[in-house]
Amino acid sequence: QVQLAQSGSELKKPGASVKVSCKASGYTFTSYAMNWVRQAPGQGLEWMGWINTNTGKPTYAQGFTGRFVFSLDTSVSTAYLQISTLKTEDTAVYYCARDGGGYDWRFDPWGQGTLVTVSS
Amino acid sequence: SYELTQSLSVSVALGQTARITCGGNNIGSKNVHWYQQKPGQAPVLVIYRDSDRPSGIPERFSGFNSGNTATLTISRAQAGDEADYYCQVWDSSTSVVFGGGTKLTVL
Repeated sequence: QVQLAQSGSELKKPGASVKVSCKASGYTFTSYAMNWVRQAPGQGLEWMGWINTNTGKPTYAQGFTGRFVFSLDTSVSTAYLQISTLKTEDTAVYYCARDGGGYDWRFDPWGQGTLVTVSS
Repeated sequence: SYELTQSLSVSVALGQTARITCGGNNIGSKNVHWYQQKPGQAPVLVIYRDSDRPSGIPERFSGFNSGNTATLTISRAQAGDEADYYCQVWDSSTSVVFGGGTKLTVL
């Protein structure tokens, strides 16, 4: 079955960097785009952008340019989210979510989420 | 920018019908998707393209979209349906947009 397995929780200090991984299985990785979604504590879902898994081209939503980088390693069917110069407000659960395949921007399935905590 | 408006909370008696709405300008012209998120878990797609159900989602979940409001309906509500529900669309000006989420309580 189609699954997305994310890396474990991270505790970082302000100013540090973090790299979250999302390993796909059960389908051809390069056939479906991958999205990233942020959920701050007690808050709703916020779309961060997506990466074309065929070309590697990332597209970032407003508010997620500069410190956020999407990348791929297609040899291991894995997408990455790197956040640099971390701020306390980056504390959130980060989800990868596969494009649903219907050219309609639905997301299915989602990874289990990675909690990134930024604290001094 | 495009915005989606959801009520903060909805309550429903066990076995009754819950309706969760998602408001947006001319949302009826867009594909609306709905996600269920239980505490501590990742979101799960429960309705896509307004009214289609992914495999494994009970028929009790249905959707409708017209005008400025999309509605997720949960029939014969069960305790296990308690969750946050989010609507989502794609808009040419904003790309992907999520509603603020509605907390469903089953009494």
